Amino acid sequence: GAVVSQHPSRVICKSGTSVKIECRSLDFQATTMFWYRQFPKQSLMLMATSNEGSKATYEQGVEKDKFLINHASLTLSTLTVTSAHPEDSSFYICSARDYRDTEAFFGQGTRLTVV
Amino acid sequence: GESVGLHLPTLSVQEGDNSIINCAYSNSASDYFIWYKQESGKGPQFIIDIRSNMDKRQGQRVTVLLNKTVKHLSLQIAATQPGDSAVYFCAETDSANTGNQFYFGTGTSLTVIP
Repeated sequence: GAVVSQHPSRVICKSGTSVKIECRSLDFQATTMFWYRQFPKQSLMLMATSNEGSKATYEQGVEKDKFLINHASLTLSTLTVTSAHPEDSSFYICSARDYRDTEAFFGQGTRLTVV
Repeated sequence: GESVGLHLPTLSVQEGDNSIINCAYSNSASDYFIWYKQESGKGPQFIIDIRSNMDKRQGQRVTVLLNKTVKHLSLQIAATQPGDSAVYFCAETDSANTGNQFYFGTGTSLTVIP
C-alpha cells in the first residue's frame, strides 16, 4: 500500500511552547489528509480534515486556534500544537487519502509529551 | 463525530483458535468500512475493507461480515497467531460526504495465548 510518513515519532516539549508535526505522502498525492488524536487504550478521535489549498475543517470541540493545520502541498500537511499544555500530551496520527482511492493510509504516529 | 470509544474491550484466544471481533457503527449513511490493526505505539494498519453493497468479504485468514440492518460489523480471524495480538478498530465513512472522513469504533484488544 501507499506510504505515509509522519515526523517526529516522539517529541517532548515544555509547557507553553509550540510543536509542529509533519505528515507526508511519499508515493501518492494526498488531496485530503486527516489528523487524529488517541489517548491510551482509547480509540482514534478525528480532530480535523484538511484539503490541499483550503482551510481545514475541524470536528466539534477541537480548538482550531490551538491545533493549527496547514496543507500546503499535495504531499505535506502539518499540525502545530500551539502553547502546549500537559493535557495535550497524546498520540497524534495523520492519515492521507488519494482522490483516486477510497482507502486511507496512516502515518506511524507522533507521541507528544508536554512537561 | 460518529462512534466514539471511551473503553477498550479485550478478547483473549488460544493460538490456533478462531477470533471474532465485533463493531457497532452509528451512521446509517456509512457505505464503506475498513478494519485496522494497531500495534502498540504504531499507526493503524489496513486489514480488510467492505462496501455496503456486500455482506461478506474474505481475505487471507480474515473475513469481514457486514449487517446493515443492525449496523454491525465483525472481523473473523482464522487460526489466530501470536502476531495477531493487537488492537483492532473498525472505521466507517460515508463516501457521498465530500469530507470522506473515517470515524473509528471503540476498538478491541486481542491477546493470543501461545
